[in-house]
Amino acid sequence: DVKVTQSSRYLVKRTGEKVFLECVQDMDHENMFWYRQDPGLGLRLIYFSYDVKMKEKGDIPEGYSVSREKKERFSLILESASTNQTSMYLCASSPREGGATEAFFGQGTRLTVV
Amino acid sequence: GDSVTQMEGPVTLSEEAFLTINCTYTATGYPSLFWYVQYPGEGLQLLLKATKADDKGSNKGFEATYRKETTSFHLEKGSVQVSDSAVYFCALSRGGYNKLIFGAGTRLAVHP
Repeated sequence: DVKVTQSSRYLVKRTGEKVFLECVQDMDHENMFWYRQDPGLGLRLIYFSYDVKMKEKGDIPEGYSVSREKKERFSLILESASTNQTSMYLCASSPREGGATEAFFGQGTRLTVV
Repeated sequence: GDSVTQMEGPVTLSEEAFLTINCTYTATGYPSLFWYVQYPGEGLQLLLKATKADDKGSNKGFEATYRKETTSFHLEKGSVQVSDSAVYFCALSRGGYNKLIFGAGTRLAVHP
């Protein structure tokens, strides 16, 4: 069974903390993504990576960074957490083949910043 | 820029009722279109997709047809079940890296 695994289901962090969200996929996919899910807004792309050490900004990258040192792992970093980053974060992966391939999602990390 | 608009929910139906969730899109070029579903407590999973005009995607009794002339991709099911209760997202894919643009999501609640 194919899997995208996010390290935490729930996290509570304090304002100003540096936060790491980890994602691992076992499908040997080239593309990996971080989305943020908010009610009424759907999912919005934060960052994506198409290869090891390669990354590109999505639609809402401000306040976030990413790291991809190994093909299977993609980390989202909140440099200094703020309350407006309280949200559900979803990681996804897909093969390189192009725009009509299926994306596989993790179960999500619900982050609360207090 | 590219965008997806889908009907607001929640949609509440009785079991065996007919379902339609409207989705329209704005995009340059010819995007691929998707419906993803999110069951309670889970991540998203692909329900169906269509890659060109007039294609019909189908899965688990759900169907959607890619209508270029109306820029729409409405989701339909003839007879819903309680197990279909979930949040449904319409999405389009832009570019070669399968970056997805999502609609806001529509919550469906089906009652016995």
